[in-house]
Amino acid sequence: AQKITQTQPGMFVQEKEAVTLDCTYDTSDPSYGLFWYKQPSSGEMIFLIYQGSYDQQNATEGRYSLNFQKARKSANLVISASQLGDSAMYFCAMREWGGSQGNLIFGKGTKLSVKP
Amino acid sequence: GAVVSQHPSRVICKSGTSVKIECRSLDFQATTMFWYRQFPKQSLMLMATSNEGSKATYEQGVEKDKFLINHASLTLSTLTVTSAHPEDSSFYICSARKKIARVAPTEAFFGQGTRLTVV
Repeated sequence: AQKITQTQPGMFVQEKEAVTLDCTYDTSDPSYGLFWYKQPSSGEMIFLIYQGSYDQQNATEGRYSLNFQKARKSANLVISASQLGDSAMYFCAMREWGGSQGNLIFGKGTKLSVKP
Repeated sequence: GAVVSQHPSRVICKSGTSVKIECRSLDFQATTMFWYRQFPKQSLMLMATSNEGSKATYEQGVEKDKFLINHASLTLSTLTVTSAHPEDSSFYICSARKKIARVAPTEAFFGQGTRLTVV
């Protein structure tokens, strides 16, 4: 079974509007972390935001916020006021803290295109 | 912030030759480094995990004799693709984990990636 599911292969958003990228996860580890990364066409992975499984509040970083719904096992990324430079691939990832080497498990990604 | 430097960023090689990719943590000690592979328009797949001074742990389906990983120091890990073939053409990216035990949200620091083309 997939541990990280991103159901939207591609998304379009109008510049200056908000967009939500979906991510659901599957784990039996009570302690885990959820990450969102941006990958532009150049290939590098850019860290955006992090949510720990025990964090009470949803994480926010500038225009990025994470809608964490633990019972539903979802960790959607919300980008407010989209900019043209936001066009990229976005990956949701999880790290299970218990008993793992610490590697990230990635979803298949969502390609976001921001229209002017 | 922590910096991970990966070189080369692009390499083209002939079939049958070997290619070495370096991953360096520039301003921190990395006890663990991870090597991922990414095919076009696909996700990152973990290939192997390397711990300083010990043998790498390879994921199922990854040939350890083909993808040689050396983690000789706390700041350097190398991935050597031996006897490369066109199907090895891919984007390879490393990430490093800090030695500090504290769990930090940005603990996974990524290199810039290497685009390998085997002709």
